[in-house]
Amino acid sequence: GNSVTQMEGPVTLSEEAFLTINCTYTATGYPSLFWYVQYPGEGLQLLLKATKADDKGSNKGFEATYRKETTSFHLEKGSVQVSDSAVYFCALKGSNDYKLSFGAGTTVTVRA
Amino acid sequence: GAVVSQHPSRVICKSGTSVKIECRSLDFQATTMFWYRQFPKQSLMLMATSNEGSKATYEQGVEKDKFLINHASLTLSTLTVTSAHPEDSSFYICSASGGETQYFGPGTRLLVL
Repeated sequence: GNSVTQMEGPVTLSEEAFLTINCTYTATGYPSLFWYVQYPGEGLQLLLKATKADDKGSNKGFEATYRKETTSFHLEKGSVQVSDSAVYFCALKGSNDYKLSFGAGTTVTVRA
Repeated sequence: GAVVSQHPSRVICKSGTSVKIECRSLDFQATTMFWYRQFPKQSLMLMATSNEGSKATYEQGVEKDKFLINHASLTLSTLTVTSAHPEDSSFYICSASGGETQYFGPGTRLLVL
């Protein structure tokens, strides 16, 4: 079945540091890949997505590239802010499926 | 666009009572909505898939008689936690399917005393 493995946290960074959260997946066919962000006490917000190999999703300074050869979708941001403190979830939707498979989530804390 | 709302955002109830949570897609129609449960510091657990006009599909281990789901229109799905007990206390999140992407509501925190 489909599965997502995410880098374990928590991750603590200083402002303006570089952030990488690793995400790898297992799936048959050509899944769509997503990063969601959850701020404290809130639901999930779609951060970015990619629906085919070599696509790059980007939003709010975050980027992730769909790498089929390494089955990865790592999230990166070049210069984080305190407001980026949140839990980040990598997710996958199979090509023949309507459900999302989530990673465990990575808690990121950015200190001023 | 693609906004999903949930109501209420927080609810406290006594053990044995029933609680209804509403999930609405505000600016798009969603034939499929999903209900998740999230425990503290954990990922989301899919409870059920709600399809407009038909019965919900429940994940293994989720009691359909305890968690009643109704998807009466293309913009509204409801989850009713019947005879709630303290172990049902959790964060419940819905999502609505808009093509390839699921859009999530802000969540409902349920506390059963």
